[in-house]
Amino acid sequence: GAGVSQSPSNKVTEKGKDVELRCDPISGHTALYWYRQSLGQGLEFLIYFQGNSAPDKSGLPSDRFSAERTGGSVSTLTIQRTQQEDSAVYLCASSLTPESHEQFFGPGTRLTVL
Amino acid sequence: SQQGEEDPQALSIQEGENATMNCSYKTSINNLQWYRQNSGRGLVHLILIRSNEREKHSGRLRVTLDTSKKSSSLLITASRAADTASYFCATGRGSYIPTFGRGTSLIVHP
Repeated sequence: GAGVSQSPSNKVTEKGKDVELRCDPISGHTALYWYRQSLGQGLEFLIYFQGNSAPDKSGLPSDRFSAERTGGSVSTLTIQRTQQEDSAVYLCASSLTPESHEQFFGPGTRLTVL
Repeated sequence: SQQGEEDPQALSIQEGENATMNCSYKTSINNLQWYRQNSGRGLVHLILIRSNEREKHSGRLRVTLDTSKKSSSLLITASRAADTASYFCATGRGSYIPTFGRGTSLIVHP
């Protein structure tokens, strides 16, 4: 596609439910990042995928969070047993290679946990 | 903890004026990027400056980097209402995972 896409754009869920957020990176981009942004805050790194290498999961805040990237393309971020503090905008970004540094961001998924 | 911290947190100017935002960081970096974010959604890359560079230009944007002071500045000249956005610096060190600051919120009044 022309850019990074994310779905859904908005998600409202009840505390304790599981949610899945999807990211379609730019075709051919080998690096994919997930970030979380709380209201008025900067971006908090969650997880990084590069090619077929093992992902860098060092930013995941708890074991309720997991992510996968199938076929080196689409990625899914899963949050199990959601909590109210998980409410945030979840941003996905991709870059052509890690060395290119420039990241292309999707529009984000706004998650609200009631 | 945040590696880059932008200053000021908020900036309000009139159209046509210049806007200057600063980013300070604590440890040595390989590169520093500036991004713009409109309406709390996706970020757009503006410019990257490497640690061996001191100044870069892109259109109305001018970025400087002072590694001795561990700081960078982003200057937007002749600002427009469309420049209203949040601006973030992102510092890169040994890994390919940049660290973002909390951003400067810029409002340009027409």
